[in-house]
Amino acid sequence: DAGITQSPRYKITETGRQVTLMCHQTWSHSYMFWYRQDLGHGLRLIYYSAAADITDKGEVPDGYVVSRSKTENFPLTLESATRSQTSVYFCASSKGTGYTGELFFGEGSRLTVL
Amino acid sequence: GENVEQHPSTLSVQEGDSAVIKCTYSDSASNYFPWYKQELGKRPQLIIDIRSNVGEKKDQRIAVTLNKTAKHFSLHITETQPEDSAVYFCAAASSGNNDMRFGAGTRLTVKP
Repeated sequence: DAGITQSPRYKITETGRQVTLMCHQTWSHSYMFWYRQDLGHGLRLIYYSAAADITDKGEVPDGYVVSRSKTENFPLTLESATRSQTSVYFCASSKGTGYTGELFFGEGSRLTVL
Repeated sequence: GENVEQHPSTLSVQEGDSAVIKCTYSDSASNYFPWYKQELGKRPQLIIDIRSNVGEKKDQRIAVTLNKTAKHFSLHITETQPEDSAVYFCAAASSGNNDMRFGAGTRLTVKP
């Protein structure tokens, strides 16, 4: 049971480059989320998806793009990376109806933008 | 939107002592309050949660209390052990608003 997996786990890129972080879950959970984790800020929601082809902005969506053509995949793209996007990114899924249920997190993707 | 504040940011206790972490929230519509534990280099994992129709919930050495009137909730860990050392995050969510906000986290260190 793979659960929820992210790739790459570590990525170093340069300012202005496009980066895509992948997220895959095997549970067929409807809801999926992308968070970024920065010291002093906890976990902040970037985007979420209630189902395939349904996505919506979270607290800090600027500079990010998401898509969800299949239930199991929820990629996050930084179209033109900036240093302020250096962070640890966590993908999560929920078997509940959105936020009022347990979130299952991936292992995280550490992104460094030089 | 919802705003969650968490205190303290760091907490150090002796093994066997109790630890208390407190959170306040701003949105009176919030009705779900989970707590996540994140060990160093690992993913956050749910340890306990409480819904607005309950004032207290216990699971072995862990308990959470909720005061809806005051808009605050707390995590209590009794008989702390070194393996309790981690960062703990509180969160508040509203099923109606489809929004969850996390606190900034508390780094708990249990000294053997």
